Amino acid sequence: EAGVTQSPTHLIKTRGQQATLRCSPISGHTSVYWYQQALGLGLQFLLWYDEGEERNRGNFPPRFSGRQFPNYSSELNVNALELEDSALYLCASSYDRDTYNEQFFGPGTRLTVL
Amino acid sequence: SQELEQSPQSLIVQEGKNLTINCTSSKTLYGLYWYKQKYGEGLIFLMMLQKGGEEKSHEKITAKLDEKKQQSSLHITASQPSHAGIYLCGADSNQGGKLIFGQGTELSVKP
Repeated sequence: EAGVTQSPTHLIKTRGQQATLRCSPISGHTSVYWYQQALGLGLQFLLWYDEGEERNRGNFPPRFSGRQFPNYSSELNVNALELEDSALYLCASSYDRDTYNEQFFGPGTRLTVL
Repeated sequence: SQELEQSPQSLIVQEGKNLTINCTSSKTLYGLYWYKQKYGEGLIFLMMLQKGGEEKSHEKITAKLDEKKQQSSLHITASQPSHAGIYLCGADSNQGGKLIFGQGTELSVKP
């Protein structure tokens, strides 16, 4: 069984640009979670999508947004990139919203903002 | 808000030695998860503990959740170079889908 996949592996952007990160959950999972792991700040919760709807978001500005598609894959968009957005972005999935405490993580996308 | 504190922040041990990593919560834990992360990579799920006093083992790694459910320990017996990495404890925040994490413990195992 394939795990959570993320693309691209690495992404380099410049300040002010937009970044799009993609995540495919484990087959059969409907909930997708996004986390940011910035140097020195640890893992911070960003967003939770389930059945196509945003269920919760962390303490991040509105320029961090995303969506979940009918096939349960998800996209994270970061607009107006700032240097401090440089981080490893991790996606996780769980079977459904009731099993949100059993999250399986993907390998991450390393975003570098120059 | 709930916070998780891990100790030590980093650890260097000789191969074959035992070690313990601790995770202390500022509030009662309703679910405690241990993950391992290779530098710059994703998290690998190790174990989940939910009941006070619960203890789980997988190969040479044992995790315990204390009776008061505010602290967990991860113990590695006879460490090997393959155990090297960053160990993270995570907890259910009871805030809808959100897991909170400790800052991680970086383990190096010297052959």
